[in-house]
Amino acid sequence: GAVVSQHPSWVICKSGTSVKIECRSLDFQATTMFWYRQFPKQSLMLMATSNEGSKATYEQGVEKDKFLINHASLTLSTLTVTSAHPEDSSFYICSASPDRAQDGYTFGSGTRLTVV
Amino acid sequence: KQEVTQIPAALSVPEGENLVLNCSFTDSAIYNLQWFRQDPGKGLTSLLLIQSSQREQTSGRLNASLDKSSGRSTLYIAASQPGDSATYLCAVPHSGNTPLVFGKGTRLSVIA
Repeated sequence: GAVVSQHPSWVICKSGTSVKIECRSLDFQATTMFWYRQFPKQSLMLMATSNEGSKATYEQGVEKDKFLINHASLTLSTLTVTSAHPEDSSFYICSASPDRAQDGYTFGSGTRLTVV
Repeated sequence: KQEVTQIPAALSVPEGENLVLNCSFTDSAIYNLQWFRQDPGKGLTSLLLIQSSQREQTSGRLNASLDKSSGRSTLYIAASQPGDSATYLCAVPHSGNTPLVFGKGTRLSVIA
């Protein structure tokens, strides 16, 4: 089945630095990818939708200058948290839309970001 | 705007019991419905996918049903095991490349 590989699984960074999270579709082409954020014991909150070769569409309230999303190829989407602060600490998960109509959405394994 | 509700929010059962998790959605114009499992600190594992034209799907001890017209889905877990302890999420997309709308999940604990 379709696999999305997300790296890193966890990262600790200092306040003010930037962190890049990568999501790769390993055996299919992901035209559309989605980035979610999840706080402890809460459900997933959609941050943005990225389409290959075009600018990402951000949800209301998500700062596009802080959360930079790049989807330069059909197999790679990246999320960069710029000038990270402790309140950006969270669990970030990417997802790819189905490659075929009969398939479901595939999720990465998530990245635990801790900003100190 | 699509809203997905899951009941109950949490459930604790003894090992071996059969159980039902409920999911409802407000807009019946869905592309499909997907049930996921999430273990603490981990990503999402897809359990079952039901296309909008289907009524149910089965995988091992899991059976999911879909009644699109009434906006409901149920996930049935037979003979529950401690390893089934996790949060179960249902989600629906409006079309094949729109984002999933998630319920808040049901946190299941199966006690040995």
